[in-house]
Amino acid sequence: DAKTTQPPSMDCAEGRAANLPCNHSTISGNEYVYWYRQIHSQGPQYIIHGLKNNETNEMASLIITEDRKSSTLILPHATLRDTAVYYCIVRYLSNTGNQFYFGTGTSLTVIP
Amino acid sequence: GAGVSQSPRYKVTKRGQDVALRCDPISGHVSLYWYRQALGQGPEFLTYFNYEAQQDKSGLPNDRFSAERPEGSISTLTIQRTEQRDSAMYRCASSLIWADTQYFGPGTRLTVL
Repeated sequence: DAKTTQPPSMDCAEGRAANLPCNHSTISGNEYVYWYRQIHSQGPQYIIHGLKNNETNEMASLIITEDRKSSTLILPHATLRDTAVYYCIVRYLSNTGNQFYFGTGTSLTVIP
Repeated sequence: GAGVSQSPRYKVTKRGQDVALRCDPISGHVSLYWYRQALGQGPEFLTYFNYEAQQDKSGLPNDRFSAERPEGSISTLTIQRTEQRDSAMYRCASSLIWADTQYFGPGTRLTVL
């Protein structure tokens, strides 16, 4: 199972883009990159996922490097409600499991 | 539609007692997962079901922990002879099929005195 490395904390000014990096240098070819966030003690909230190509949805964009060893989650216009812990996860998919291995994530603070 | 629900939301128990935590997945979701989350940490995988079959229980810390999903819908995580170190947030997630995105419930905060 591939592990991920994220900075423990980041700040971002309200209205600016928040770029959250993640390293996953041991990722294998069939492992997806997932991003979740957790606000206070709420359950983790799904944001986006991808395999090789860049992805965009209504919440964020995911940029995956060509070698797939790192990725960046982009929140295009951060708001105060985006303050949360963001988890980058490499999903380990086996013939018996669909396991998510969470790390300690990046605590993003959006500053007014 | 309704998301994943868990009950109770808070449980306080005395050391040595048994507790049962319930998870009601999103309707129609085949796969159900249990995680445990300590303060300041990300969720840690415990076990996982496809329908009623427990596919992987490698994350259960010891034999005091068990889980079941007898009818392929609601699941119960049982902790026998609770210890203080079992205090944590217990989270449940479900996915439509086994390789799909997981959606998490609000969790049950367990405190063992």
